[in-house]
Amino acid sequence: EAQVTQNPRYLITVTGKKLTVTCSQNMNHEYMSWYRQDPGLGLRQIYYSMNVEVTDKGDVPEGYKVSRKEKRNFPLILESPSPNQTSLYFCASSFTGAGADTQYFGPGTRLTVL
Amino acid sequence: GQSLEQPSEVTAVEGAIVQINCTYQTSGFYGLSWYQQHDGGAPTFLSYNGLDGLEETGRFSSFLSRSDSYGYLLLQELQMKDSASYFCAVSYMNTGFQKLVFGTGTRLLVSP
Repeated sequence: EAQVTQNPRYLITVTGKKLTVTCSQNMNHEYMSWYRQDPGLGLRQIYYSMNVEVTDKGDVPEGYKVSRKEKRNFPLILESPSPNQTSLYFCASSFTGAGADTQYFGPGTRLTVL
Repeated sequence: GQSLEQPSEVTAVEGAIVQINCTYQTSGFYGLSWYQQHDGGAPTFLSYNGLDGLEETGRFSSFLSRSDSYGYLLLQELQMKDSASYFCAVSYMNTGFQKLVFGTGTRLLVSP
């Protein structure tokens, strides 16, 4: 089954404790991205990757890091989480990242930073 | 920068027709997409318009007018399961490839 998986689905942590949210896709997509979703603000892109070892900032990259060492995986790293990073996070993938190209979203990770 | 506007909430009754509008200000505009998201779920792709006109997919249609920087999603024969949030998203050219920016979403409430 074609899918994007994220782990964990729910996470409660404390300020400053490094964490990683994993994302994996089995569709051989080149393009992967991370979004955060906050009430009233819609989906905002954090980082994206056009291919292995090619990443770039989205609209809200501050406080986040990513890496793309394998085509299927695109982890999101919060080196020192803060309460303003409490949010719902989605990973997405597609073949090219173009608008006409369907973005497949993972199930989401709800993060709470105390 | 890029900006999109869509209504925050729309209500309708089962069997009715509803239109969700999206206006945008985007340089290097390429196309307009629509995504549906049920509460607690992930966004799923509905449609894409790269050219002016209407695209129809079953009960859903999407329209684009590039000259007016405007598009809409039309939902016909509304069903309770259509209650969800709907996001428009513009794709635009940036540093040689396309980027995607989402609107803030329209919550559709369908009542019996």
